[in-house]
Amino acid sequence: DSGVTQTPKHLITATGQRVTLRCSPRSGDLSVYWYQQSLDQGLQFLIQYYNGEERAKGNILERFSAQQFPDLHSELNLSSLELGDSALYFCASSAHGGRDSYNEQFFGPGTRLTVL
Amino acid sequence: AQSVTQPDIHITVSEGASLELRCNYSYGATPYLFWYVQSPGQGLQLLLKYFSGDTLVQGIKGFEAEFKRSQSSFNLRKPSVHWSDAAEYFCAVARTGTASKLTFGTGTRLQVTL
Repeated sequence: DSGVTQTPKHLITATGQRVTLRCSPRSGDLSVYWYQQSLDQGLQFLIQYYNGEERAKGNILERFSAQQFPDLHSELNLSSLELGDSALYFCASSAHGGRDSYNEQFFGPGTRLTVL
Repeated sequence: AQSVTQPDIHITVSEGASLELRCNYSYGATPYLFWYVQSPGQGLQLLLKYFSGDTLVQGIKGFEAEFKRSQSSFNLRKPSVHWSDAAEYFCAVARTGTASKLTFGTGTRLQVTL
């Protein structure tokens, strides 16, 4: 158990809908990262937040957005869902922001999103 | 941009046999290098990492990896595989200076036969 929790574990929805994935980082960790794992694209970094502010951005679609709240939990919002958005979405957390040095990222179990 | 290649999609080894999983990276300088393992239904767990110094790094669960700059490789090894090692293994790279963003390879699925 990494200490990172993600809810829900599974989510099934229809095309065009909007969903919210939630992540609670390890106690004391300030950074949260979101990754997408799909058969087509593999594991891809989406976005990082550090202490409430966006720190780094990866291959995140404009239909997707994220935020980190004052209690440090994070939400990933996916809208106008398409079949291709079906994937496993991982959240990870680390102690700090990692701008100048690496901080180990601890991964949650993921949320499996199925878009029908 | 950095990239990672794992040429083997699927590998099968017998329990007790040795294992080597290949990883090649593309990056202009020495990156941070990692190996993660993903068991079915689980998140990713860090096996080991290389930042600098000794090119042979030891990790958890008896794994080790060797950084070879001349070959741009960071292969994962284990001298004797256990059935519980069956999982998917990911090599990842992060740029020095922006170490937060991990770029992953496509993964190698390891099957262990008894």
